[in-house]
Amino acid sequence: NAGVTQTPKFRVLKTGQSMTLLCAQDMNHEYMYWYRQDPGMGLRLIHYSVGEGTTAKGEVPDGYNVSRLKKQNFLLGLESAAPSQTSVYFCASSRDFRDNQPQHFGDGTRLSIL
Amino acid sequence: AQSVAQPEDQVNVAEGNPLTVKCTYSVSGNPYLFWYVQYPNRGLQFLLKYITGDNLVKGSYGFEAEFNKSQTSFHLKKPSALVSDSALYFCAVSSLDDKIIFGKGTRLHILP
Repeated sequence: NAGVTQTPKFRVLKTGQSMTLLCAQDMNHEYMYWYRQDPGMGLRLIHYSVGEGTTAKGEVPDGYNVSRLKKQNFLLGLESAAPSQTSVYFCASSRDFRDNQPQHFGDGTRLSIL
Repeated sequence: AQSVAQPEDQVNVAEGNPLTVKCTYSVSGNPYLFWYVQYPNRGLQFLLKYITGDNLVKGSYGFEAEFNKSQTSFHLKKPSALVSDSALYFCAVSSLDDKIIFGKGTRLHILP
């Protein structure tokens, strides 16, 4: 099994450009998450989804949008990139956060905004 | 509101010595506690979790963690450190009605 796959792995954008990060999981998990990781800040939840067709805001949702049109895919969009969005973005999935199943993470997308 | 703290940004341990990475938490209700490890340029990998039962939880790669309810702690331990244990370690907490939140991470250096 591939687990959680993120594309692209690296990207450099100019301020104001838009892009979409793709996350795909092959574990039939209901829950999917997008985090950003910044030095000294740990992981911060951007948006999450509790099932196909659903999305919800996390701790730091401003400047990002998400969609979950298919159960296996969770897309993170930046409509107008800003330098403050330079970060490493991680996608994760789990069966259910209520039954305390661990999250499975992708290897990240390193995004630089110039 | 729930929170989790990792008081040490970095821990240095000589190879072969025991290691401890500290974690304390605050949550209303019963806590669900996790440890994850992150190697360079990789995502987080699940190590172990405590939900209920025995306070000493055993996980992957010889790691274990001890749940201490009175001290609200969940320290990660290993009896004999390996150089390959060098990585970034995250403690995380959730409760029945809330999402998981992660600590800021502790960088573990095992010195040969």
